[in-house]
Amino acid sequence: DSGVTQTPKHLITATGQRVTLRCSPRSGDLSVYWYQQSLDQGLQFLIQYYNGEERAKGNILERFSAQQFPDLHSELNLSSLELGDSALYFCASSVASGGSGELFFGEGSRLTVL
Amino acid sequence: AQSVTQLGSHVSVSEGALVLLRCNYSSSVPPYLFWYVQYPNQGLQLLLKYTTGATLVKGINGFEAEFKKSETSFHLTKPSAHMSDAAEYFCAVSDDQAGTALIFGKGTTLSVSS
Repeated sequence: DSGVTQTPKHLITATGQRVTLRCSPRSGDLSVYWYQQSLDQGLQFLIQYYNGEERAKGNILERFSAQQFPDLHSELNLSSLELGDSALYFCASSVASGGSGELFFGEGSRLTVL
Repeated sequence: AQSVTQLGSHVSVSEGALVLLRCNYSSSVPPYLFWYVQYPNQGLQLLLKYTTGATLVKGINGFEAEFKKSETSFHLTKPSAHMSDAAEYFCAVSDDQAGTALIFGKGTTLSVSS
């Protein structure tokens, strides 16, 4: 158990819909990262927050947005969903903002868009 | 921009045989390098990491990796494979000086046969 909690574990929805994925980081971790894992693209970095502020942005679509709340949990919002958005979405957390530390991953939220 | 290339999407070995998973990176500054493992239906967990210092890094479960700057490589090895090593392995790079998130390779699936 990494200490990172993601909900929901599975989600099935239709094209055009909007969903919200939630992540609770390990106790004490200030950084939260979102990754998308798909068969064709592999693990793609989407976005990072550190102590409530956006820190780094990767290959995140404009239809996607995220935020980190004062209690440090984070939400990833996916809107106008397309079939290609079907993937496993991982949240990870770390103590610091830099890239030398270990990332602790949740078990992921599997999104299926029909 | 940093990137990681994992050579071979699928590696098969027999139990007791040497495991060699290849990773080459591209980075304009001294990189931090990582290997993560993903077991079925689980999140990623850290196997080992190189930041500075000794270029031969030992990790969990008997794995080790050597940072070779001249070859821009960070190959993962284990002298004797065990059935429980069957999983997907990801090499990742970060540039802590810029505080960037980890950039992952596409992964290598390791199969171990008895």
